[in-house]
Amino acid sequence: GAVVSQHPSRVICKSGTSVKIECRSLDFQATTMFWYRQFPKQSLMLMATSNEGSKATYEQGVEKDKFLINHASLTLSTLTVTSAHPEDSSFYICSAGGPNEQFFGPGTRLTVL
Amino acid sequence: AQSVTQPDIHITVSEGASLELRCNYSYGATPYLFWYVQSPGQGLQLLLKYFSGDTLVQGIKGFEAEFKRSQSSFNLRKPSVHWSDAAEYFCADTPGGYQKVTFGTGTKLQVIP
Repeated sequence: GAVVSQHPSRVICKSGTSVKIECRSLDFQATTMFWYRQFPKQSLMLMATSNEGSKATYEQGVEKDKFLINHASLTLSTLTVTSAHPEDSSFYICSAGGPNEQFFGPGTRLTVL
Repeated sequence: AQSVTQPDIHITVSEGASLELRCNYSYGATPYLFWYVQSPGQGLQLLLKYFSGDTLVQGIKGFEAEFKRSQSSFNLRKPSVHWSDAAEYFCADTPGGYQKVTFGTGTKLQVIP
């Protein structure tokens, strides 16, 4: 089956630093990937749509200059949280998939101190 | 806008009792429907999915769900709950075509001895 990986699975950083999260489709190519964020005890909310070779599309209320997305190849999308603050602490999940279904990565837990 | 509704935020059942988690979708055409389970601190695990055909779908861990177009519902059921089923359950849909997945707000299941 289709597998999506994320790295790292867990990261702790200091306030003001930047953190990069990788999302890879391991056995298929994905022209489109999605990034979701999940705050504690809440559901998953779409942050942005990552398009290979073009700019990402951000959902309303998501700061594109703070959450930089790069989709440089058909198997890799990266999310960089710039100048992270404690309120950015969350669970970040990516997905990639086929025409009917998205496959989700295992998630990255970000803690900003 | 496309939305998924899970009316029950929290459900408590006794071990061995039956379970039904409710889900309603708003997408006009027949969407692709999913149920995921998430244990604390973990990623998503796909329980089952509905694309077309038989409206009663079987999933992993003894779960099943029934698609009812007339009620715009996709309720999840299990005849006998085990203590290990305690988790958060998310209903989700996508219109397909490599588009995003929309999640419901989730239902937290508590299982008591």
